[in-house]
Amino acid sequence: DTAVSQTPKYLVTQMGNDKSIKCEQNLGHDTMYWYKQDSKKFLKIMFSYNNKELIINETVPNRFSPKSPDKAHLNLHINSLELGDSAVYFCASSQYHTGELFFGEGSRLTVL
Amino acid sequence: AQSVTQLGSHVSVSEGALVLLRCNYSSPVPPYLFWYVQYPNQGLQLLLKYTSAATLVKGINGFEAEFKKSETSFHLTKPSAHMSDAAEYFCAVSLKTDSWGKLQFGAGTQVVVTP
Repeated sequence: DTAVSQTPKYLVTQMGNDKSIKCEQNLGHDTMYWYKQDSKKFLKIMFSYNNKELIINETVPNRFSPKSPDKAHLNLHINSLELGDSAVYFCASSQYHTGELFFGEGSRLTVL
Repeated sequence: AQSVTQLGSHVSVSEGALVLLRCNYSSPVPPYLFWYVQYPNQGLQLLLKYTSAATLVKGINGFEAEFKKSETSFHLTKPSAHMSDAAEYFCAVSLKTDSWGKLQFGAGTQVVVTP
């Protein structure tokens, strides 16, 4: 059983399109995150939800909208995709205040 | 604001040799420090973490790291490299005043292990 699973793993799309990435965790954690890894492998946090409440919202364009329907799911919707959005997006989960994040395998988004 | 610097974007070690990955941090308050490993096409996995208990921290796969406040360092070591250690390694810092999941990552160090 995969602990943190993301779909799709690969996404190739045109500029201007809208796309979504879904994430599910079966670890019973109360906190979930979206991280972005760029082409130089630099990782940066985007959002975090604790018990469905948004607790971290970094400086991210408002074209990016996270949604957490319940503690086990966190989705990321991106409107009007731009070339610079090409990256690997990682979902992660943790029990709040443990500092140990469990990462999914990533969703590689390519915008043409 | 806190930050992390990893010295050396690529490290090549021989199988059986010492692995040493360097990490320095800056933080306005006592930090929590982490080392994560990323194998090709996979997500990150926690190797070890420092949370103000013992300064020498032991992790998985034979890795350990030592917190040195005077040097603001948290270097990762493994006495004997194995081929399976080839991966990208990330040092990360989190502030006690922040959400623990708000990790500030270093740029990563790619480890290559040669036979």
